[in-house]
Amino acid sequence: EAGVVQSPRYKIIEKKQPVAFWCNPISGHNTLYWYLQNLGQGPELLIRYENEEAVDDSQLPKDRFSAERLKGVDSTLKIQPAELGDSAVYLCASSLGSPDTQYFGPGTRLTVL
Amino acid sequence: GESVGLHLPTLSVQEGDNSIINCAYSNSASDYFIWYKQESGKGPQFIIDIRSNMDKRQGQRVTVLLNKTVKHLSLQIAATQPGDSAVYFCAETEGKLIFGQGTELSVKP
Repeated sequence: EAGVVQSPRYKIIEKKQPVAFWCNPISGHNTLYWYLQNLGQGPELLIRYENEEAVDDSQLPKDRFSAERLKGVDSTLKIQPAELGDSAVYLCASSLGSPDTQYFGPGTRLTVL
Repeated sequence: GESVGLHLPTLSVQEGDNSIINCAYSNSASDYFIWYKQESGKGPQFIIDIRSNMDKRQGQRVTVLLNKTVKHLSLQIAATQPGDSAVYFCAETEGKLIFGQGTELSVKP
């Protein structure tokens, strides 16, 4: 069974440019999460979806970050415009429901120059 | 605020020895705890979990101990192998998963 798929794996952009990350969760998983992970730190939740509804986006910086999960399956996370401090690994995870064991994708490593 | 943290940032052990990774948490209302393993360039991988109504849970070569009195969680890895080298995170969940900082485990051959 395929795990959580994320793309791209790496992205390098200049500050003020837009960037988007894509995630395809494990088949049948209704809950999808986006996390931010800084070097040496644990992941921090940005947003949680139950099907297509964002049920917890309290930690998402809404001035520059946006996310969508239109059909309740795959999801995109966008940053516009990117800032130097956005350099981090962006992880996607999914679970059957919430709270349930979360399975993580490999992440997208973003470098903002 | 409430937080989950780890006592040691790094741990070095000899191959074949047992490893113990510790974690302190401060939210007494936490009812579910998880240990994740994260290898370089990969996402966190579920290892084992434990609910607050349990003190101990065993898996394959791993054991998690929960001491609610002192709000302490530990992960024991038996017969540590080179493939166990990774960063280990404890996480607590009371609805939302909150990760600690992580302990880097290094296994010497």
